[in-house]
Amino acid sequence: QVQLQESGPGLVKPSDTLSLTCGVSGYSISSSDWWGWIRQPPGKGLEWIGYIHYSGNTHYNSSLKSRVTMSVDTSKNQFSLKLSSVTAVDTAVYYCAKKPAAQGWFDSWGQGTLVTVSS
Amino acid sequence: QSALAQPASVSGSPGQSITISCTGTSSDIGAYNSVSWYQQHPEKAPKLMIYDVTNRPSGVSNRFSGAKSGNTASLTISGLQAEDEADYYCSSYTANTPVFGGGTKLTVL
Repeated sequence: QVQLQESGPGLVKPSDTLSLTCGVSGYSISSSDWWGWIRQPPGKGLEWIGYIHYSGNTHYNSSLKSRVTMSVDTSKNQFSLKLSSVTAVDTAVYYCAKKPAAQGWFDSWGQGTLVTVSS
Repeated sequence: QSALAQPASVSGSPGQSITISCTGTSSDIGAYNSVSWYQQHPEKAPKLMIYDVTNRPSGVSNRFSGAKSGNTASLTISGLQAEDEADYYCSSYTANTPVFGGGTKLTVL
């Protein structure tokens, strides 16, 4: 059974780059599936950030595209998110999730990690 | 893309049925059968409950069902139980882009 686990700093300074990694266990990241990031500001709804295939192909939310970079490390079975020039509005719980190939839903999710942007 | 419209809250008594609506446009919900629903308990990750409008993943109770009419999708929960109290999010997938609804808080009275 696939398990996902987010890791990274819980506190990031304004204007810095937020960096998170999602470790995948029980499943090969080099499958046909896509690997995504979704965030949720405190007390608010879900926002899709983007997703990546092990081949390196990506799709990003157009509203965040200029600040987002995703990458995959197949040797470590993990994928990563970088969000640059962060501000307080980027404070959120960040989830990584698995999206089956050619489908529009996320069937497995990590537990989420809270990232606070503050000086 | 704009977020899908959901009621902020719904409520029902144990044993009753409730329906949560999710309204989009003719370009998203109305155009494709790629609507999914997620359940989120407090401080927990979302859980997929319905995909492709009507399908339930393995392990999801058959008390949960989905439907779509025009630009509006819906999630019905029958035989409400206390454990169903949670936030529910719809999502539509168009042009490689998932869009979520604003979420609906379900209270079991």
